[in-house]
Amino acid sequence: AQSVTQLGSHVSVSEGALVLLRCNYSSSVPPYLFWYVQYPNQGLQLLLKYTSAATLVKGINGFEAEFKKSETSFHLTKPSAHMRDAAEYFCAVSPRGGGNKLTFGTGTQLKVEL
Amino acid sequence: EAGVTQSPTHLIKTRGQQATLRCSPISGHTSVYWYQQALGLGLQFLLWYDEGEERNRGNFPPRFSGRQFPNYSSELNVNALELEDSALYLCASSSIRTGGNTIYFGEGSWLTVV
Repeated sequence: AQSVTQLGSHVSVSEGALVLLRCNYSSSVPPYLFWYVQYPNQGLQLLLKYTSAATLVKGINGFEAEFKKSETSFHLTKPSAHMRDAAEYFCAVSPRGGGNKLTFGTGTQLKVEL
Repeated sequence: EAGVTQSPTHLIKTRGQQATLRCSPISGHTSVYWYQQALGLGLQFLLWYDEGEERNRGNFPPRFSGRQFPNYSSELNVNALELEDSALYLCASSSIRTGGNTIYFGEGSWLTVV
């Protein structure tokens, strides 16, 4: 079964600092990988996805993630944090060719401080 | 283009009652997914419908059921409500024809059981 592990349930950064949210996956073959963001009292918004093209994926709001097969990782980064980035971020995995069911990590709450 | 829409936004029910939540997918999407986001339990997969058929089911009791209509909209029914059913229920949709590996979420329906 596929799974993702998000290291750090809470991450705090200063405004303008680098954001790094960690995600490691477990799968026998490289899966599809996603990052979603959830702002307070809202649904999930897709930030970016990896499906097999370029390993460095650029998403919305200045976020990007790099797929590293050797490390089974898909960490999310942003060079400079903004107050509006404060939200909960979820890494998710779905199987290739086996249906679209997403399996989510436990989420990382990002806090941005002045 | 309208995104995934869900109704009602909020619903309060008494223990033992039934709740019905509704979802309209993005136009052209044939797959609908339901997830439960309960406090402290993360995002749990409930159900997946495609072309009117149930394709996959998460680890939930039979009192959680649903269906997909010919216009691809869906409803989730929860019978014999229990207090622990209180959660945000998220609906999502995708399309095999337009890149079925990407799943888009609605804003969710908050169910409170008292």
